[in-house]
Amino acid sequence: AQKITQTQPGMFVQEKEAVTLDCTYDTSDQSYGLFWYKQPSSGEMIFLIYQGSYDEQNATEGRYSLNFQKARKSANLVISASQLGDSAMYFCAMRVDDMRFGAGTRLTVKP
Amino acid sequence: DGGITQSPKYLFRKEGQNVTLSCEQNLNHDAMYWYRQDPGQGLRLIYYSQIVNDFQKGDIAEGYSVSREKKESFPLTVTSAQKNPTAFYLCASSIATGSFNQPQHFGDGTRLSIL
Repeated sequence: AQKITQTQPGMFVQEKEAVTLDCTYDTSDQSYGLFWYKQPSSGEMIFLIYQGSYDEQNATEGRYSLNFQKARKSANLVISASQLGDSAMYFCAMRVDDMRFGAGTRLTVKP
Repeated sequence: DGGITQSPKYLFRKEGQNVTLSCEQNLNHDAMYWYRQDPGQGLRLIYYSQIVNDFQKGDIAEGYSVSREKKESFPLTVTSAQKNPTAFYLCASSIATGSFNQPQHFGDGTRLSIL
């Protein structure tokens, strides 16, 4: 069975600082994908970044990077230079066949 | 533009009534999904479909029904058997189930409330 755990219900960060959102996962499959989504208060789910289980390099997309530690089964999202518009819910997800989501972390960026 | 369209944005249901949520995609994706999101929580899978005329139950299928008569469309019916339907419903699609490196793309959601 697949399981995704996000242990931080809420996080605060000062504008222009970096923040790390934690995600751990559990699966017995060797082939899987790890994803991060952003959900603003309007509700839509925005795909941010992807990391494959066989990828040796950490994924990066602009200000987003994924700190992938396979042995620890963790896939933390790092947001650099936080902006006020980054305030939202962030969901970690894992895909083997279907997609499984964590409970989410609410990030608040302070001016 | 390619994307997923959900309608309506807001929906109200009376007791004992069935309601249908629409989901249409023009991304030519094979797989489509329905999720339920309760306030402050993550997404739970209701139903998914990998191909036309075929669909599977997710974790919380009771009280819901779906159909997949066309590749582009995957409507969700919330039946009167669903006793607590108030939630935010999200439809998603992806290239194919089983392609673990493919993200799911989401619609803007439908908020369903009980009158």
